[in-house]
Amino acid sequence: KAGVTQTPRYLIKTRGQQVTLSCSPISGHRSVSWYQQTPGQGLQFLFEYFSETQRNKGNFPGRFSGRQFSNSRSEMNVSTLELGDSALYLCASSWTTSGDYNEQFFGPGTRLTVL
Amino acid sequence: QKEVEQDPGPLSVPEGAIVSLNCTYSNSAFQYFMWYRQYSRKGPELLMYTYSSGNKEDGRFTAQVDKSSKYISLFIRDSQPSDSATYLCAMSGGGGFKTIFGAGTRLFVKA
Repeated sequence: KAGVTQTPRYLIKTRGQQVTLSCSPISGHRSVSWYQQTPGQGLQFLFEYFSETQRNKGNFPGRFSGRQFSNSRSEMNVSTLELGDSALYLCASSWTTSGDYNEQFFGPGTRLTVL
Repeated sequence: QKEVEQDPGPLSVPEGAIVSLNCTYSNSAFQYFMWYRQYSRKGPELLMYTYSSGNKEDGRFTAQVDKSSKYISLFIRDSQPSDSATYLCAMSGGGGFKTIFGAGTRLFVKA
């Protein structure tokens, strides 16, 4: 079974630009979560989508947005990039958000560098 | 104050040592407690999860949860150089609740 894939793996942008990252979950998984990982802050939750609806949202500014398509693939967009947005962006998929614990499977991440 | 606190290290130990990694938390609603391992240039992978308080063992790894103290631990016995990675604790209320991660502890096991 294929794992979670993220594209692109590496990205270099300049301040003020916008960027779109893509995540393909494991087949059959309907929940996709996005995280930002930086050395100082660790893994911080951005948002979660389930069946094309945003179910949870972290404490990030409105420049960070996302969406999920009917095939469960997800994209996140960051507009008006700032230097502080440089980070590893991780996507994780799981079977469902309801009921008991659902293991999250992570992709390899997209390394975004903002110059 | 962060909901989950974890010492970032780095922690350096000789091969064969017992490693103790810890996290504290403030939200009493957390019910599921996880430990992830992340190798360089990879995404985190789940090592173990525990529901509520108690211990759980899996090979060389033991996870402990003390909800009364809001403290969780991961012990690695007979540590190996291949255990060198960043270890992240994570917690969730389960179901539709979001998962909160610690900052991660970098572990180096020297041969």
